[in-house]
Amino acid sequence: DTGVSQDPRHKITKRGQNVTFRCDPISEHNRLYWYRQTLGQGPEFLTYFQNEAQLEKSRLLSDRFSAERPKGSFSTLEIQRTEQGDSAMYLCASTDGTNSNQPQHFGDGTRLSIL
Amino acid sequence: ELKVEQNPLFLSMQEGKNYTIYCNYSTTSDRLYWYRQDPGKSLESLFVLLSNGAVKQEGRLMASLDTKARLSTLHITAAVHDLSATYFCAVVDRHTDAGNMLTFGGGTRLMVKP
Repeated sequence: DTGVSQDPRHKITKRGQNVTFRCDPISEHNRLYWYRQTLGQGPEFLTYFQNEAQLEKSRLLSDRFSAERPKGSFSTLEIQRTEQGDSAMYLCASTDGTNSNQPQHFGDGTRLSIL
Repeated sequence: ELKVEQNPLFLSMQEGKNYTIYCNYSTTSDRLYWYRQDPGKSLESLFVLLSNGAVKQEGRLMASLDTKARLSTLHITAAVHDLSATYFCAVVDRHTDAGNMLTFGGGTRLMVKP
């Protein structure tokens, strides 16, 4: 069990640029979640996948955000035309959907800073 | 809309003392999770509470769940410096679909002083 891994760990970019983050879940986990955490706050749900299907999206996920999980394994989260307010830690989590009581396992996150 | 509130938001305590963190939530749920987060790190699962009256203990931490009161507590016994971290409770909204999305409280930042 290598845990949930996210790449990159840090991303600094200028406002208006596009960014893409990657998440590799625990291999046997079929559910994958994206959350956003701003300083001093708890994580907020963005979206989740069961296998390759994106089943739920938060109202926080504006049309500048898009997430994919093409083969039901790794996932990408893309933000287009970044804004200052997008600066946050983006966390990925995974769990085994066949056991809904299991906790979600979180990666170390990607910290995004918009200049 | 499910709301989760924790208090206190910040807790400074001496080593050896006891204290309790409270987590209140606004709608029916029978699944509550406690996580720990160290600065700059991700979230580590501490406890999973699945039914009314559930109590879990690990070392100096004990968590309980009262679904009727919509309240969970995280009790710290004889605190040590290594417990300094931010603690989050997170709740699954029973009335939404089966995705088990978590709604987190704002966190309690615990600082244990020698």
